[in-house]
Amino acid sequence: GENVEQHPSTLSVQEGDSAVIKCTYSDSASNYFPWYKQELGKRPQLIIDIRSNVGEKKDQRIAVTLNKTAKHFSLHITETQPEDSAVYFCAASTLSGGSYIPTFGRGTSLIVHP
Amino acid sequence: SAVISQKPSRDICQRGTSLTIQCQVDSQVTMMFWYRQQPGQSLTLIATANQGSEATYESGFVIDKFPISRPNLTFSTLTVSNMSPEDSSIYLCSVGAGSRTDTQYFGPGTRLTVL
Repeated sequence: GENVEQHPSTLSVQEGDSAVIKCTYSDSASNYFPWYKQELGKRPQLIIDIRSNVGEKKDQRIAVTLNKTAKHFSLHITETQPEDSAVYFCAASTLSGGSYIPTFGRGTSLIVHP
Repeated sequence: SAVISQKPSRDICQRGTSLTIQCQVDSQVTMMFWYRQQPGQSLTLIATANQGSEATYESGFVIDKFPISRPNLTFSTLTVSNMSPEDSSIYLCSVGAGSRTDTQYFGPGTRLTVL
């Protein structure tokens, strides 16, 4: 099955700095890569996603890059703000039995210091 | 995105008992999923529930422990049976949505504590 590795497990930055979270996956059949943000006590919220036919996608301060050859993808947050503090999960999804089944990374706890 | 609700939001249960968690969606969806998130951990898929068919369980999860119902396209239940303290966790349902149904949106979760 799919295996997703996520690094770092904790990331501490100063407000205004950039933050980068990296993930690798093992199954070359995976073709959909969402990123979720989970604030304490809340549900995971989709913040950005990328599909395998695209190498990069940007939405305001958030961008995701995908390298299918190397099987890795990354989340980039620029000009970080305290409200960006949360746990971020990457996932790699594979079509299986008619459903897209995601495998999640272990999460990155991002702390943005004012 | 779909609006998803879960009941109960939290519960404290005694070992050996069972709890049924409900998941309601405001629109018809084909795919519904149940996850477990242990404290400080990632999301682990328990099973996929499609309307009109038996749920498909992931490795390590069995129907006798986590029976699932999916009576229609807007509703599903997950039962945690014969609970032990190791079942203390957050249980989340999600739905597949979007043009390709590859995007998943999560419910608010049910925080379960087993004493």
